[in-house]
Amino acid sequence: EAQVTQNPRYLITVTGKKLTVTCSQNMNHEYMSWYRQDPGLGLRQIYYSMNVEVTDKGDVPEGYKVSRKEKRNFPLILESPSPNQTSLYFCASSPPPRGGNQPQHFGDGTRLSIL
Amino acid sequence: AQKITQTQPGMFVQEKEAVTLDCTYDTSDQSYGLFWYKQPSSGEMIFLIYQGSYDEQNATEGRYSLNFQKARKSANLVISASQLGDSAMYFCVFSGYSTLTFGKGTMLLVSP
Repeated sequence: EAQVTQNPRYLITVTGKKLTVTCSQNMNHEYMSWYRQDPGLGLRQIYYSMNVEVTDKGDVPEGYKVSRKEKRNFPLILESPSPNQTSLYFCASSPPPRGGNQPQHFGDGTRLSIL
Repeated sequence: AQKITQTQPGMFVQEKEAVTLDCTYDTSDQSYGLFWYKQPSSGEMIFLIYQGSYDEQNATEGRYSLNFQKARKSANLVISASQLGDSAMYFCVFSGYSTLTFGKGTMLLVSP
């Protein structure tokens, strides 16, 4: 089954404790991206990757890191989480957008609470 | 940067009626795509419909249609014959060369 898998689904942690949210897709997609969803703000793109070893900042990259060492994996790293990073996070994958017609395949989301 | 505007934070509609959710965008790109996604209370993102900037005909998918007016830079979603299961958050999404921009969403509530 084609899917994007995020782990963990829920996490409560404390300020400053490094954490990683994993994202894996089995569709051989070149493009992967991370979003955060906050009430009233919709989804905002954090980072995206057009292919292996190619990553770029989205609209809200501050406080986050990513890596793309393999095509299928695109982890999101919070080196020193802060309470303003409490949010619902989505990973997504697709063929390269290029204004094209490929919809994003979304993971089920990860709800992070930073105390 | 691209900009997507959904001016309706919330909409109410009665079952079986049609409803239009508004979306306008701002871009200087020539080639782009517009998507609509549905997010029910369970949280997953569900793809509904797509319109390409070069498509001459409005997209349709079952009860969903996209009223695309390129000159006005609008891409409104029309849901015909609303159902109770249509109650959800709806997002309009602009797809450029390498990035995607989401609108803030419209919460649709369908009443019996």
